[in-house]
Amino acid sequence: KQEVTQIPAALSVPEGENLVLNCSFTDSAIYNLQWFRQDPGKGLTSLLLIQSSQREQTSGRLNASLDKSSGRSTLYIAASQPGDSATYLCAVPGGTSYGKLTFGQGTILTVHP
Amino acid sequence: EAGVAQSPRYKIIEKRQSVAFWCNPISGHATLYWYQQILGQGPKLLIQFQNNGVVDDSQLPKDRFSAERLKGVDSTLKIQPAKLEDSAVYLCASSFPSPGRSSITYEQYFGPGTRLTVT
Repeated sequence: KQEVTQIPAALSVPEGENLVLNCSFTDSAIYNLQWFRQDPGKGLTSLLLIQSSQREQTSGRLNASLDKSSGRSTLYIAASQPGDSATYLCAVPGGTSYGKLTFGQGTILTVHP
Repeated sequence: EAGVAQSPRYKIIEKRQSVAFWCNPISGHATLYWYQQILGQGPKLLIQFQNNGVVDDSQLPKDRFSAERLKGVDSTLKIQPAKLEDSAVYLCASSFPSPGRSSITYEQYFGPGTRLTVT
């Protein structure tokens, strides 16, 4: 059974800092890994999707890396801004099912001015 | 392109009452998912449809939860009777296979969710 863990559970940083969010998963036989953002009271917004054959993906100030063999992914946020404050979730498809996602519990990020 | 639509956005009911949620996926998306997200946790899959057939409902509490996807488009999720522990956000998502560099990916797109409070 796939299990996903995110560290830290919460993070508070001053504006402008570079930061790293961590995600680990127990079953390395994954097709891809997805990072989401969730604002309070809102649904999930997909940030980055890394396929199993890729090592990293970049979108603006966000960079996500994937190391399947060690069961780890990191989300790097450069030059953080107060607007980045949200909960960040990582998720992987479970087993051989293409669709079903198993999520971590999320990292609550607060960027203060 | 319109996103995944859900209604209502908020619902407050008393325990033992019934409630229904509605989801309209992105046009053309064959796969539809219902997730339950309890406060402080990541979403957990309740049920997955492929067109109008159920692919996975292993974590759906079938004694009180039911879902259907008539005509392979819209879907409804029902709880009857509700319990206090059903208080959560219910998220609907849809996906459609898109070609990746070396594999087929199934990126999921989520709706805004329905926040249910059971008192």
